[in-house]
Order: sequence, then C-alpha cells, then structure tokens
Amino acid sequence: NAGVTQTPKFQVLKTGQSMTLQCAQDMNHNSMYWYRQDPGMGLRLIYYSASEGTTDKGEVPNGYNVSRLNKREFSLRLESAAPSQTSVYFCASRMIPRGVDSYEQYFGPGTRLTVT
Amino acid sequence: AQTVTQSQPEMSVQEAETVTLSCTYDTSESDYYLFWYKQPPSRQMILVIRQEAYKQQNATENRFSVNFQKAAKSFSLKISDSQLGDAAMYFCAYRSLSNFGNEKLTFGTGTRLTIIP
Repeated sequence: NAGVTQTPKFQVLKTGQSMTLQCAQDMNHNSMYWYRQDPGMGLRLIYYSASEGTTDKGEVPNGYNVSRLNKREFSLRLESAAPSQTSVYFCASRMIPRGVDSYEQYFGPGTRLTVT
Repeated sequence: AQTVTQSQPEMSVQEAETVTLSCTYDTSESDYYLFWYKQPPSRQMILVIRQEAYKQQNATENRFSVNFQKAAKSFSLKISDSQLGDAAMYFCAYRSLSNFGNEKLTFGTGTRLTIIP
C-alpha cells in the first residue's frame, strides 16, 4: 500500500493563478481531510469529506474549494492564489468501520506551496 | 471551541536521556481523544501515541508514554532512552467525539525536539 499520496510535492504560483492539489489514498478509507501548516502554528483544517459525495468546511476554508472525486481521491483547488496561501498542505484519511469510531488519521507527505 | 497549548517551542535532550514534552488543552467535553504526532524533517506526520479520555490508564508505546491528567487537562509525552531518530517537531492534538465520523483534529503549535549526541 502506498498509503496517502499527494501531488505535487512543491509548487510555486504567481498571485492570481489557479491550481489543484491532488490527494489519493489506497486504504479504502471513508473520510478525507485537507490541512494547512504555517510556521509557528499547528495544522489547521481547511475542508473535510466524511464520505464519498459529501464535503464540509473546516476552520479556514476561505479561498479554497474541494472535490471528492470518488472514494480514493480528494482534491483541493485554489481558484485565485494569494500570498497568504503560502503554506504546506497536508491531506489525511481515516477509516470509519460500521458502528465503530476509528480515531487515527493517516497523513500524506505534504505539498509545499509558495505564492509570490 | 477546543484549544491545545504547547508552551515549549523548543526542547533538547542528551541521547539516551529522558525528556518530557508538555501539552495542555481546554474543553468542556467529557469524552475525547488526545494524540501526539511526530513530524521529522521529511514533513511526514506520524502518529506516536493516542489516549482515550475515558481510560484512566496512561498509554504506552515502547519508549513513549503519556501522563494524562484529565482534571488538570494535561497530556504530556515522555520519551525514554532518547535516540537521534527522535529529533523532530512534536504536535499534541485533540479530537472531539461530539460528531461521530465528522471531526477535526485541533493541533498545538508544536515543540521542536533536538537530540544532542
């Protein structure tokens, strides 16, 4: 199993450009998440998807959109990048077995995004 | 809203010694999970240890153990016999159980641990 994979690993954008960060997991997990990590701060939740076909806002959703393409894939889109979106972005996933709450989130390796 | 505080931005320890990283949290809930994650220079977030709030017994994973004080809302991580590979950023995280299946992790700001050979 590759676990949680993210592409690209690094990206530099100019202000106003758009891009999509890709995330995929091969663990048959139900829930998927997008976080951002900024210097001196912990990870903050941008959006999450509890199951295929559903998405919900997290703590810092402004400036982002997401798509849960299927059970495996969860993409994060920046429509018009701003310097404030310079950050490291992490995707995570979690299994929720029927009737049982599984608490561990598995993280991808992150994407370092710089917006100039 | 829950908050997680890690008051030690940086810590260092001699190789083979023991170090304790502090974490406090604020919540009005009675049931929740607490985690310590390790983030080495590779940036990968790795789960180190977890604690269910309803369990009185402190969690242990090999050289890693926690001191969970529910009343004090304290959740410290003890690393015994520190190794060079333990050098990383360590994050404390809180997870509510108020919404089954829909939840977020609330992270502290992290403690950078340096191991001195």
